[in-house]
Amino acid sequence: AQKITQTQPGMFVQEKEAVTLDCTYDTSDPSYGLFWYKQPSSGEMIFLIYQGSYDQQNATEGRYSLNFQKARKSANLVISASQLGDSAMYFCAMRERVGETSGSRLTFGEGTQLTVNP
Amino acid sequence: AAGVIQSPRHLIKEKRETATLKCYPIPRHDTVYWYQQGPGQDPQFLISFYEKMQSDKGSIPDRFSAQQFSDYHSELNMSSLELGDSALYFCASSVHSSGTEAFFGQGTRLTVV
Repeated sequence: AQKITQTQPGMFVQEKEAVTLDCTYDTSDPSYGLFWYKQPSSGEMIFLIYQGSYDQQNATEGRYSLNFQKARKSANLVISASQLGDSAMYFCAMRERVGETSGSRLTFGEGTQLTVNP
Repeated sequence: AAGVIQSPRHLIKEKRETATLKCYPIPRHDTVYWYQQGPGQDPQFLISFYEKMQSDKGSIPDRFSAQQFSDYHSELNMSSLELGDSALYFCASSVHSSGTEAFFGQGTRLTVV
């Protein structure tokens, strides 16, 4: 079963507008973490924001915020005031514990290609 | 700030050859992960190490092996390369005790011809 689902293969937004990228997840682990990464066409994977399952408040990092709805198992990324440089692939990922060991793997969604139009 | 360093950035190998990819984690990060990203795909977890011991194993072919050394750098060894091994290989590092960040290197783009 898919653990991370990103239902939007592609999204378009006008420059300076806000955009929401959807992410839903599935886990039975009460302790987990949710990550968002940006991958521009150059290929690097850039860490944007993190939300822990026990965090009471939604995470924010500059223009990025995470709309965390635990009961719905969703962790949508909101980008405010979009810029042309925001055009990239965006991946949602989840970290679950792996037994009692550390180094829990990240499981990625299929990504959303965001295009910011001038 | 120091980031995860991967080398080489690009690598071209012929079928059946071997390749070694290197990863230098962020200082004081004790956990290293390897991922493979095929064209148009999301990254797939291969293997991870914590304090120089293998901590988790994903869809890593038997032809691949990896280890983490005493200085925490890691190497991914790939033998009998196949055309399907052509991909972007990422290394990521994190701190075990926090787990709130996982930073990726810039990746090694492997092309098998």
